[in-house]
Amino acid sequence: AQTVTQSQPEMSVQEAETVTLSCTYDTSESDYYLFWYKQPPSRQMILVIRQEAYKQQNATENRFSVNFQKAAKSFSLKISDSQLGDAAMYFCAYRRTPGTYKYIFGTGTRLKVLA
Amino acid sequence: EAGVAQSPRYKIIEKRQSVAFWCNPISGHATLYWYQQILGQGPKLLIQFQNNGVVDDSQLPKDRFSAERLKGVDSTLKIQPAKLEDSAVYLCASSLDPRAEAFFGQGTRLTVV
Repeated sequence: AQTVTQSQPEMSVQEAETVTLSCTYDTSESDYYLFWYKQPPSRQMILVIRQEAYKQQNATENRFSVNFQKAAKSFSLKISDSQLGDAAMYFCAYRRTPGTYKYIFGTGTRLKVLA
Repeated sequence: EAGVAQSPRYKIIEKRQSVAFWCNPISGHATLYWYQQILGQGPKLLIQFQNNGVVDDSQLPKDRFSAERLKGVDSTLKIQPAKLEDSAVYLCASSLDPRAEAFFGQGTRLTVV
């Protein structure tokens, strides 16, 4: 069975600085997607960034980028120029393709941004 | 574009009572998911619908949980009878099809006392 591990329960970063959140996963599949979701206190899960496993190039969305190491089964999220609005829970998620395409989430990392 | 709507936002019930949650997905989205998020954990899939058919309910505690999606649009999730360990946030999500990105609602926070 696939598993997703986030080993950092909580991280802090100074405003305008850079922070990296870690995620590892375990799977025997070769075709899958990986995601980072943000969950603010409003509880709504918001997609931050997505990576297709067959793509070697790391995904980037504005201040957010990933370091995808397929052989190591590692998928870290880098947030540059951190802003107060980035404070939230961040969840790493795996989605197998094909199949039911259900998301498997990690336990989350709480990010605090210090002014 | 309207998002995934869920109600109620909060619910407090006593153990052994029943409760129901409602979800209205984004218009046109064929796939609907219900996730359970226990405090301190990531969301866990309870059930996945494709139109009005069940695709995956392997982690749904079927002795007390039930879900339906009539006419392939709105969905309800019911718990009867509730246990203390059912206290969690229940998230509904929808996507155009199983491969497309899922959009989440704001969830219902259930407290069982």
